[in-house]
Amino acid sequence: DQQVKQNSPSLSVQEGRISILNCDYTNSMFDYFLWYKKYPAEGPTFLISISSIKDKNEDGRFTVFLNKSAKHLSLHIVPSQPGDSAVYFCAAIPNAGGTSYGKLTFGQGTILTVHP
Amino acid sequence: GAVVSQHPSRVICKSGTSVKIECRSLDFQATTMFWYRQFPKKSLMLMATSNEGSKATYEQGVEKDKFLINHASLTLSTLTVTSAHPEDSSFYICSANNPPRETQYFGPGTRLLVL
Repeated sequence: DQQVKQNSPSLSVQEGRISILNCDYTNSMFDYFLWYKKYPAEGPTFLISISSIKDKNEDGRFTVFLNKSAKHLSLHIVPSQPGDSAVYFCAAIPNAGGTSYGKLTFGQGTILTVHP
Repeated sequence: GAVVSQHPSRVICKSGTSVKIECRSLDFQATTMFWYRQFPKKSLMLMATSNEGSKATYEQGVEKDKFLINHASLTLSTLTVTSAHPEDSSFYICSANNPPRETQYFGPGTRLLVL
């Protein structure tokens, strides 16, 4: 049962354009969402997060949007740079209480390639 | 930002031996650390939650006697793969919680190859 889904295995974007990475979730207990960037043979690097009480969070070139009613979040990267090429994972954490508190549930990842 | 280190970065061992992997939070204290395993072309799989001063909590299907976890201090958790076999070969990654709100910061990972 995949509770966090990234339906696009890959995305190719031209340098300078916008990259939009999508993520859907099914568990209504999730109330905190994170995006990570990962290079092969390295640990994930935290990019940006958003709480369910917000619908947008921005940090430099990265903006995360959350649509709670649709159980959908997206990561926008503007402008995209070749160095952004990596695998991007979305992750979700359930709200307080229960044995899953604090545990991340990851999506399958999306490979982003930014062409010069 | 929060920095998490792992040691060693890669290790090759013979089948039957035990391997210890260290995970340290360098600039913050972490009461909770997590251990993940990543299979090729797969997402990260949570193996266990390491709690400082208490027993680790293992995910379903993870053998606790096989993967020993010790969280001896607020900055150090260790994962020991006991009696390693070739099927234990994988990429092991740890993470530690730091505010805001349980954001997990990951170590660089340890590549284990069991011959």
